[in-house]
Amino acid sequence: EAQVTQNPRYLITVTGKKLTVTCSQNMNHEYMSWYRQDPGLGLRQIYYSMNVEVTDKGDVPEGYKVSRKEKRNFPLILESPSPNQTSLYFCASSLSGGSSQGAFFGQGTRLTVV
Amino acid sequence: DQQVKQNSPSLSVQEGRISILNCDYTNSMFDYFLWYKKYPAEGPTFLISISSIKDKNEDGRFTVFLNKSAKHLSLHIVPSQPGDSAVYFCAAFDYKLSFGAGTTVTVRA
Repeated sequence: EAQVTQNPRYLITVTGKKLTVTCSQNMNHEYMSWYRQDPGLGLRQIYYSMNVEVTDKGDVPEGYKVSRKEKRNFPLILESPSPNQTSLYFCASSLSGGSSQGAFFGQGTRLTVV
Repeated sequence: DQQVKQNSPSLSVQEGRISILNCDYTNSMFDYFLWYKKYPAEGPTFLISISSIKDKNEDGRFTVFLNKSAKHLSLHIVPSQPGDSAVYFCAAFDYKLSFGAGTTVTVRA
């Protein structure tokens, strides 16, 4: 079954404690990206990757890091989380950045930073 | 500075009637447009797309219309069913996907 898997689904952490949200896809997609969803703002892209070792900033990259060492995995790293990073996060993958067939999304990670 | 805007946060429609969701955009360089559907506690799922060179695309009960001169697109769902109750996101692609804020659709029995 084609899927994008994120872990954890829910996370409560304290300010400044480094965390990683993992994302894995089994469709051999080249393009992967991370979004955050906030009320009234929709989904905003944090970072994207067009292939292994190729990553770039999206609309709201501040406070986040990513890596793409393997095609299937695209972890999101918060080195020093702050309360304004409390949000719902989605990982997505697609054949290419411009796929008219749309991107496949993971089920989301709800992060709370206190 | 949102390039894709959904100005109606919510829509309530009776089962069997038509749902019309609207979306406006500002970037004339978008190559194509997509609609995603999202249920609570799930990720968005792709619904339908339309190329910027077309003005209509149909898939079953779902039809998307594109008016480039007005920079406006709409999604029609006919007939609306209870399972259509969800949040719908409009998105547009140039070199990356840009999303609107979403419209929550409630289909009443």
